[in-house]
Amino acid sequence: NAGVMQNPRHLVRRRGQEARLRCSPMKGHSHVYWYRQLPEEGLKFMVYLQKENIIDESGMPKERFSAEFPKEGPSILRIQQVVRGDSAAYFCASSPNGELFFGEGSRLTVL
Amino acid sequence: GIQVEQSPPDLILQEGANSTLRCNFSDSVNNLQWFHQNPWGQLINLFYIPSGTKQNGRLSATTVATERYSLLYISSSQTTDSGVYFCAVEGYSTLTFGKGTMLLVSP
Repeated sequence: NAGVMQNPRHLVRRRGQEARLRCSPMKGHSHVYWYRQLPEEGLKFMVYLQKENIIDESGMPKERFSAEFPKEGPSILRIQQVVRGDSAAYFCASSPNGELFFGEGSRLTVL
Repeated sequence: GIQVEQSPPDLILQEGANSTLRCNFSDSVNNLQWFHQNPWGQLINLFYIPSGTKQNGRLSATTVATERYSLLYISSSQTTDSGVYFCAVEGYSTLTFGKGTMLLVSP
């Protein structure tokens, strides 16, 4: 029973480029959450999705960030025109019923 | 939104010692989870415990929902217990994390 799968594990981008982070939830889980962790800080909620629907995006920055969870395929967190402040670990979690299970995270470094 | 406070922020233990970590929250919760983030950054589920008491090996947790706190007990600590322990609670929407307790267990 595979856990939550995230890729890439590490991503390096130059300022102005785009970053795409992917998350495949655990089998049977239809709820996906994205969190961001800055160095030496806790996790901050970004967005909550179900298949083809954004349920809560109250934690997403208003510009440059978007997320989707299509009917087929993984959930994608997309960051356009990255800046140095976007450097962080991005964690995805899935849930069957409220209990969250996290992937190993994607660590984005912006040069 | 709901506020989550964890204490202590840092803790250093000698191997074999016991410890108690506390999580206070500001409102009624539907969900409370404890996680361990190991030195490699992985988040490991410890307990899903919106109320009551659970035990798993050397770890146990108690949540008293009416008094808005949860406790995580670590007994006979080992160096592999080092890392950051997060409490996360869900009120009316999504899971909100505390700032964590950083634990260092020395041999």
